[in-house]
Amino acid sequence: QVQLQESGPGLVKPSETLSLTCTVSGGSIRDTYWSWIRQPPGRGLEWIGYIYYSISSNYNPSLESRVTISVDTSKNQVSLKLRSVTAADTGVYYCARENVSGSGYQYYYYMDVWGKGTTVTVSS
Amino acid sequence: DIQLTQSPSFLSASVGDRVTITCRVSQDISSHLAWFQQKPGKAPKLLMYGVSTLQSGVPSRFSGSGSGTEFTLTISSLQPEDFAVYYCQQLHSYPRTFGQGTKVEVK
Repeated sequence: QVQLQESGPGLVKPSETLSLTCTVSGGSIRDTYWSWIRQPPGRGLEWIGYIYYSISSNYNPSLESRVTISVDTSKNQVSLKLRSVTAADTGVYYCARENVSGSGYQYYYYMDVWGKGTTVTVSS
Repeated sequence: DIQLTQSPSFLSASVGDRVTITCRVSQDISSHLAWFQQKPGKAPKLLMYGVSTLQSGVPSRFSGSGSGTEFTLTISSLQPEDFAVYYCQQLHSYPRTFGQGTKVEVK
């Protein structure tokens, strides 16, 4: 079955760029939507954005000016770049598959596969 | 953005209890709602989507209901492994948004 593994530096300096990679195994990144979600320490979940192959993407307006999500089909990877980070960007970052099912007029989306998450700390 | 408000934020319960969590949404999302369970140090786990479609492998003691702007997650008989934080999420529009979470604790 599809598995996701996030990777990247655990420590990023303020004002620098956070770069993470999500490696997809057991499936192709061409198949569906891929999202990044983050969770500050002790807090709830925040959706960062998604990418569908190289066809479309959408970002949370609260982060849109600093975020880029891209895919590398040769490596079956989805990447996240978050620029000009501050301490508020500290947290666990997850990648997730957004799947869709249904027929006719009714389709449902759902995030059914998640990576284990990677912890990023923004500190000098 | 669509806002989701869960109630209660904290819930103390005992094994065997029937537990209900409510998710109120700031605008009509039809049936585009999912529920997740998250345990400490783990990724969220999808419980159900489309309000009430149980994800494969999720026990039948979990159920969901509602439509439009008010939804509920019910655990019919709480088991020891169910103590966790539960989140609702809307997938009606972007940005995807989550409720603030409900922590189910041991009474």
